[in-house]
Amino acid sequence: KQEVTQIPAALSVPEGENLVLNCSFTDSAIYNLQWFRQDPGKGLTSLLLIQSSQREQTSGRLNASLDKSSGRSTLYIAASQPGDSATYLCAVVGLKTSYDKVIFGPGTSLSVIP
Amino acid sequence: DAGVIQSPRHEVTEMGQEVTLRCKPISGHDYLFWYRQTMMRGLELLIYFNNNVPIDDSGMPEDRFSAKMPNASFSTLKIQPSEPRDSAVYFCASSLAGRLYQETQYFGPGTRLLVL
Repeated sequence: KQEVTQIPAALSVPEGENLVLNCSFTDSAIYNLQWFRQDPGKGLTSLLLIQSSQREQTSGRLNASLDKSSGRSTLYIAASQPGDSATYLCAVVGLKTSYDKVIFGPGTSLSVIP
Repeated sequence: DAGVIQSPRHEVTEMGQEVTLRCKPISGHDYLFWYRQTMMRGLELLIYFNNNVPIDDSGMPEDRFSAKMPNASFSTLKIQPSEPRDSAVYFCASSLAGRLYQETQYFGPGTRLLVL
């Protein structure tokens, strides 16, 4: 059974700092991995999607990497800003049973201090 | 487009009552998803539709839960009878046609349900 974990559970950094969020999954047979952002009281916003054949994706100050063999993905945020404060979730779509199974991690709560 | 619309935004009800949550997906999107989020279990996929047809409902917790999509612009998630453990935030999301989860999902603001 696929399990997705995220470390750390919470992170507080000063504005301008570069940071890394981690996502780990137990079954490497994945279809893709996505990173989402969730602001308090709101739904999720898709940030980056990495196909199983890809190693990384970039969007602006965000860079996500994927290492299937080790069951890890990282989300790198450069030059953090207070507006980056939110909860970041990763989600893995499994390959073995069907394309339909998506498992979300518990999220990392990020606070960027001005 | 106004994005994914959900109603009501907040619902407080008593145990045993029927609860109906509503969702209007983004026009032109062929996939519609219902999720539930709790502190204990995180975010879970309950069911999803493709072209109004339920494809995978294996995430629906039990028979008290049912979902319908009578047309491309409307879906409901019903809980009957409701129980306190159903208290959660329920999200609806939609995405364009294409391979499942290859297209960006757009989430609604969610419905906060409290069952007393």
